[in-house]
Amino acid sequence: DADVTQTPRNRITKTGKRIMLECSQTKGHDRMYWYRQDPGLGLRLIYYSFDVKDINKGEISDGYSVSRQAQAKFSLSLESAIPNQTALYFCATNGGNSGANVLTFGAGSRLTVL
Amino acid sequence: SQQGEEDPQALSIQEGENATMNCSYKTSINNLQWYRQNSGRGLVHLILIRSNEREKHSGRLRVTLDTSKKSSSLLITASRAADTASYFCATALNTGNQFYFGTGTSLTVIP
Repeated sequence: DADVTQTPRNRITKTGKRIMLECSQTKGHDRMYWYRQDPGLGLRLIYYSFDVKDINKGEISDGYSVSRQAQAKFSLSLESAIPNQTALYFCATNGGNSGANVLTFGAGSRLTVL
Repeated sequence: SQQGEEDPQALSIQEGENATMNCSYKTSINNLQWYRQNSGRGLVHLILIRSNEREKHSGRLRVTLDTSKKSSSLLITASRAADTASYFCATALNTGNQFYFGTGTSLTVIP
């Protein structure tokens, strides 16, 4: 099983719908991140969390919210999806100073908003 | 934006040649990392270089870091078709809390 699992892998939805992307990890890492990838723009940080009680905004948090349900679970929500949120979304984890301080990524969730 | 930039955006070489890609960033960093992404897949960590290091090697990979110029380069020697992928640099700020990615270099290695 993958260390970082994202669901769904692909989703097509309509403008205005609420969407949740889920991420779970078996790494035992405290730090979790959500990134968005668009062609030519690389990866941009949406939100990150260092433990269940810690949530921080990244570069592009507008239009998104997150929930850290447990150490192993970090969900990203689009309350009212719009077409320019069509992108590839990645969840990642990091062991922080106790680990190698590198990111472990999930396989990605491709979201299309019509 | 904290995001760095990489050049070239795309690189096409013959198998066996060396591939060099560059990364520039904007702020002081704790370390810089390189990741690889096969088409549509998740990123995989390749190598990390700390801000007090100037060069690091791992197999066919060689990374350099010039903090005075805020730039790094990744050299892949004796490239293989299997090296075809996108390569991203990521900077970890001095707080070590956040990671910011460059725009990526798409490498094609022709057999």
